[in-house]
Amino acid sequence: QKEVEQDPGPLSVPEGAIVSLNCTYSNSAFQYFMWYRQYSRKGPELLMYTYSSGNKEDGRFTAQVDKSSKYISLFIRDSQPSDSATYLCAMSRSNFGNEKLTFGTGTRLTIIP
Amino acid sequence: NAGVTQTPKFQVLKTGQSMTLQCAQDMNHEYMSWYRQDPGMGLRLIHYSVGAGITDQGEVPNGYNVSRSTTEDFPLRLLSAAPSQTSVYFCASSRDLGQENQETQYFGPGTRLLVL
Repeated sequence: QKEVEQDPGPLSVPEGAIVSLNCTYSNSAFQYFMWYRQYSRKGPELLMYTYSSGNKEDGRFTAQVDKSSKYISLFIRDSQPSDSATYLCAMSRSNFGNEKLTFGTGTRLTIIP
Repeated sequence: NAGVTQTPKFQVLKTGQSMTLQCAQDMNHEYMSWYRQDPGMGLRLIHYSVGAGITDQGEVPNGYNVSRSTTEDFPLRLLSAAPSQTSVYFCASSRDLGQENQETQYFGPGTRLLVL
């Protein structure tokens, strides 16, 4: 069983819709949770960073962490064609420089104009 | 400020050949790492370095060597390429994250490697 599970999709939604992306994990030691966005043939770029449980909002993006359920989510409001990308969740036990990030496999998202 | 750069962008090797994937960063980051990305497997850590002269193994180190002689550069060497090493390789760097620093790893654009 993988430590981090993420539905690979693909997921297609119409422009303007609310998108919900999710990951589950099994290691209760994870404390830091991240969402990366990866455009085709590009490197991942950090989108959201959350410590422990709770919500964090940044513009059209909201990250939620529920440690009791070992479940994290990324919501995208008013989705745009430019949001079409693969979204990777990642998590770690600490934020020290040598701490390993454990990634989900990524969800491929397409926003249809 | 170029961030994290990787060369080459694409490479084809024959089984048994060796090569070096280059990675450089100009952000004075202490921490650098190499990942490989395969379909259905996500990103997996190969090797990492917490500073010049210090390297350590990640999750999938076999068949790869690294060295860190300078803060800026972190090359990845394939000793004897195998078809199982066909993948996309990403280099990443960060400052020592520590405390409440919200920084995380910055990724390069990747190197696509095909081993025949």
